[in-house]
Amino acid sequence: DTGVSQDPRHKITKRGQNVTFRCDPISEHNRLYWYRQTLGQGPEFLTYFQNEAQLEKSRLLSDRFSAERPKGSFSTLEIQRTEQGDSAMYLCASSLESLAVQYFGPGTRLTVT
Amino acid sequence: DQQVKQNSPSLSVQEGRISILNCDYTNSMFDYFLWYKKYPAEGPTFLISISSIKDKNEDGRFTVFLNKSAKHLSLHIVPSQPGDSAVYFCAASANAGNNRKLIWGLGTSLAVNP
Repeated sequence: DTGVSQDPRHKITKRGQNVTFRCDPISEHNRLYWYRQTLGQGPEFLTYFQNEAQLEKSRLLSDRFSAERPKGSFSTLEIQRTEQGDSAMYLCASSLESLAVQYFGPGTRLTVT
Repeated sequence: DQQVKQNSPSLSVQEGRISILNCDYTNSMFDYFLWYKKYPAEGPTFLISISSIKDKNEDGRFTVFLNKSAKHLSLHIVPSQPGDSAVYFCAASANAGNNRKLIWGLGTSLAVNP
């Protein structure tokens, strides 16, 4: 399978714990995006990378959130001191630089209890 | 402020008939529009897109129409099949400093009845 993959698919954590999600994009794609989707809403942009450079972060991304793409391949999204409001589906997408079509992974469903 | 609006939360059609899903936008800087299909607990799947320099794009049973003056686009599915039942999202992007982030509508839930 050469699509976008995300791990884990589901994560249940207690409030205050740290969590980390991983995204593996389509191999030749140099752009990688993170979105968050809550029930009844469309996905909301969080941040994006071009190769290893993080070029933009949404104001939705508080100081508790950090994302990396160390070698321009896979990316991680870490949430520190999770809060119940962080419960959502976290989606990763990748694209070729010159094109606007983004291909999404299956998402990571986070539940903070 | 919703820059991309899908005003119909749900739509029900009979198998074999046409499904028409609508989307309106407010930002005139959007130059690329996409439709995605989403099943519960899965990521969005790309369906079809259209550039702002075109007014129609067709791919099999799916056709997207763009009316720039009205800031309106629609997705036509003909003929509709039960497997098309899903939530459909309209998304738009602008080439703002190289960031092609997608701005999404709230989705329309399509039910195709056998």
